[in-house]
This record gives sequence, structure tokens and C-alpha cells, in this order.
Amino acid sequence: DIQMTQFPSSLSASVGDTVVITCRASLSITTYLNWYHQQPGKAPKLVIHPASSLQPGVPSRFRGSGFGTDFTLTITSLKPEDFGTYYCQQSSNLPLTFGGGTRVDIK
Amino acid sequence: QVRLEESGPGLVKPSETLSLRCTVSNSSLIGSYYWAWVRQPPGKGLEWIGTIFDSGDSYYTPSLKSRLTMSMDTATNQFSLRLASVTAADTAVYYCARLASVVTASVGGFFDVWGQGTMVTVSS
Repeated sequence: DIQMTQFPSSLSASVGDTVVITCRASLSITTYLNWYHQQPGKAPKLVIHPASSLQPGVPSRFRGSGFGTDFTLTITSLKPEDFGTYYCQQSSNLPLTFGGGTRVDIK
Repeated sequence: QVRLEESGPGLVKPSETLSLRCTVSNSSLIGSYYWAWVRQPPGKGLEWIGTIFDSGDSYYTPSLKSRLTMSMDTATNQFSLRLASVTAADTAVYYCARLASVVTASVGGFFDVWGQGTMVTVSS
């Protein structure tokens, strides 16, 4: 199985800040990397796929980048609705696997 | 607007079979999408369970493969999950989701639409 490692596991930020979340795959997944955002008590929502394409309706303050094993999700000008947990997910090989999540809290 | 809705018992006894159904609205099970289950134990991360497609073929995560059966009913636009011999470790929120893909069901997929999730507790 491809292991997905996210860091940090949690961070505190203020509205208006820029946040960077990193996801590392245990072997190359080229660009088959997706990002999801989950608010407490809700289902995850697709943010970016694969690697850098914004899901329709997702604001441009979200940016994904990376190739191979290292990927980043950058959120600029953080808004209140951006808080929650972010997960990366690889789709290069079965089984599909998720990272452990990065929780973004309000400072 | 595409909508997925999970249904099934919220409480299952240990060693019994967990059965869930996902009803899909405004998107046909037949066509260019695939259909999946993902679960999330309380306070933990997401785990892909399996994917099924309109041919009836399916992919399962290896750790659950021996206990898992997924099926679909194109007449009612529903797909289902059955997980046998459950234990407390199977307690989780279970989500059904639509899997889109830029390549195939096993490569390049992303979950673009999710159900709201249903909590299943395994306890006597």
C-alpha cells in the first residue's frame, strides 16, 4: 500500500493568514493526488484534483502543487469557513489511501 | 444537483453483518462514474472501503476483502455494502461517494460527491 503522510498534523492560524499543508507519498504517485476539506460533523468536500486543479466552486485562494512524492496545499487569505481538517488522497494505486489529516484551528 | 444518501441500521451486534444502502439522485449508476464507500472511525481519518462500477465489477481494500460484498441495483439507482462478522473496530461513520476519474476506476480517481454519512456502532 502507498502510505500518505501529512504534516503538520495540526496548526493554528488567524483569519487572513497563509497556510501550507504538506503531503508525502511513500512512492511516486506522479500527479494522482487529491485534497479534501472536512468540517466537524460533515462529509469531506473535494478541493483539488489531481494535484493542482481546483474543483469547480472552490475559491482561487486554494492552490495545490507537487509531483512524484511531495505535494503542498496552500491556502492564502484564510477565511472562517476554511477551518477544519484537510486530507490528501492518492489514486495512483489500489488500495486508495488517505493521509492522516491536518487540522486547521482558529488561533 | 447530484445527491447521495446512506441508509441502514445504526447499531449492529458483534459477529453480525452490517448492511448499508446508498440511494443516488440525479446521476445514473450507469455511465462514466464509479461508486464507492469510505469510512471514518470516531476521531480518526478516512479509509477507502471499496469501489463498484456498472459492469458489476468491484475493487475492495485488502484488509476487508474477505468480509466485504458490494452490489448495485441499476433499476433503483442504489448500491449497497455488506460487511460480515463485524467487531468494534468496524464502528465508524460510513460514507457513500461518487468516484470520478481521469483514467480508470483504479487510477486517477477522486471522490467528487459524498453522502452525509451514517454512523454505525458495533456493540452488543
